[in-house]
Amino acid sequence: AQSVTQLGSHVSVSEGALVLLRCNYSSSVPPYLFWYVQYPNQGLQLLLKYTTGATLVKGINGFEAEFKKSETSFHLTKPSAHMSDAAEYFCAVSLNTGNQFYFGTGTSLTVIP
Amino acid sequence: NAGVMQNPRHLVRRRGQEARLRCSPMKGHSHVYWYRQLPEEGLKFMVYLQKENIIDESGMPKERFSAEFPKEGPSILRIQQVVRGDSAAYFCASSSNRMNTEAFFGQGTRLTVV
Repeated sequence: AQSVTQLGSHVSVSEGALVLLRCNYSSSVPPYLFWYVQYPNQGLQLLLKYTTGATLVKGINGFEAEFKKSETSFHLTKPSAHMSDAAEYFCAVSLNTGNQFYFGTGTSLTVIP
Repeated sequence: NAGVMQNPRHLVRRRGQEARLRCSPMKGHSHVYWYRQLPEEGLKFMVYLQKENIIDESGMPKERFSAEFPKEGPSILRIQQVVRGDSAAYFCASSSNRMNTEAFFGQGTRLTVV
């Protein structure tokens, strides 16, 4: 069975500080991995995804994530937080043979001025 | 190219009424997925449809919930005899193929049952 764990439901960082949002997954087969951002009362916007190839993936708005198979992790990072980064972030996995995404419970990011 | 369109954005229903949520996929997309987001939780898969066919409904409650994606028109998620526990945000996603490497989400319909 597939599952996604996001450690820390709430993360606060100072403006300009490093952002690190953690995601670990459980999957019986190599998964595809995604990070989505959700602003208040909005839908989900894709930040980045890993399917194959290079394990360090760069996305929009300066975010990147690294797929580490040995650690079953796909943590999201950004070197310098901006006020506009405040939002809910969701990690998700899917399988080549599946019909759906499996989402984590989300991490709410607060950026302190 | 318009994105995934959902309407209404907000829907208020009294207990016992019916709720109809609509989703128009992106142009060229024939695969539609419905997800439900309860407060403080992630999105949970409900159903996967491809034009006129339900492919996977493993996440749908057995009673009161149904979905369709007719040959013409939007996909509809229908909830009969709504209860307070149905209050949630319902998201539709579409893709050009089976949802494993890409999905585009709508802005959701926020259902409130009073």
